[in-house]
Amino acid sequence: AQSVTQPDIHITVSEGASLELRCNYSYGATPYLFWYVQSPGQGLQLLLKYFSGDTLVQGIKGFEAEFKRSQSSFNLRKPSVHWSDAAEYFCAVVGNQAGTALIFGKGTTLSVSS
Amino acid sequence: DVKVTQSSRYLVKRTGEKVFLECVQDMDHENMFWYRQDPGLGLRLIYFSYDVKMKEKGDIPEGYSVSREKKERFSLILESASTNQTSMYLCASSPILQAWYQETQYFGPGTRLLVL
Repeated sequence: AQSVTQPDIHITVSEGASLELRCNYSYGATPYLFWYVQSPGQGLQLLLKYFSGDTLVQGIKGFEAEFKRSQSSFNLRKPSVHWSDAAEYFCAVVGNQAGTALIFGKGTTLSVSS
Repeated sequence: DVKVTQSSRYLVKRTGEKVFLECVQDMDHENMFWYRQDPGLGLRLIYFSYDVKMKEKGDIPEGYSVSREKKERFSLILESASTNQTSMYLCASSPILQAWYQETQYFGPGTRLLVL
């Protein structure tokens, strides 16, 4: 069965430092992957998605993610973190057939220190 | 922009009450979803619907039902609320595409439900 693992429950990064959030997936075929962000008290906003093609995907708010099939990973990165990036981040994979929902990881909470 | 709205941001109900959570989307999407979000557990799918009057159980349907009488509206019903249903409830919608794996989901702001 498909699954998504986000190994880090909570990460603290200094403002201006680089960020990498880890995501590993378990999937039998070509995965279709997403990163969402949830600011406090808000719904989820799509940051970026990977379907095929270039393995480095650019998203909104200066985020990017790299798909590595050999490592079953889809890590999210940002070169310089801003205080407004403090939020919870979710990695997700599409189910393996039409009409199925997303399978989410348990999320990583990002704190930004000044 | 896609807009998914949920009828309440916060709700407080008593054990045993029947609770209705409403979700409306304005982009003519076929698919609609209800998730529950709990700390440390991420998002878990309760029910989804791919057409009017159609519904499919997700991972945790027990204690919940849904209704989709119109395309734009998807309601989650707690038949008899219990304290273990205290949670954040998120609604989402997505279009049906020929490339089904590209069906990006758009989320509402969530309803935080407290059952006393």
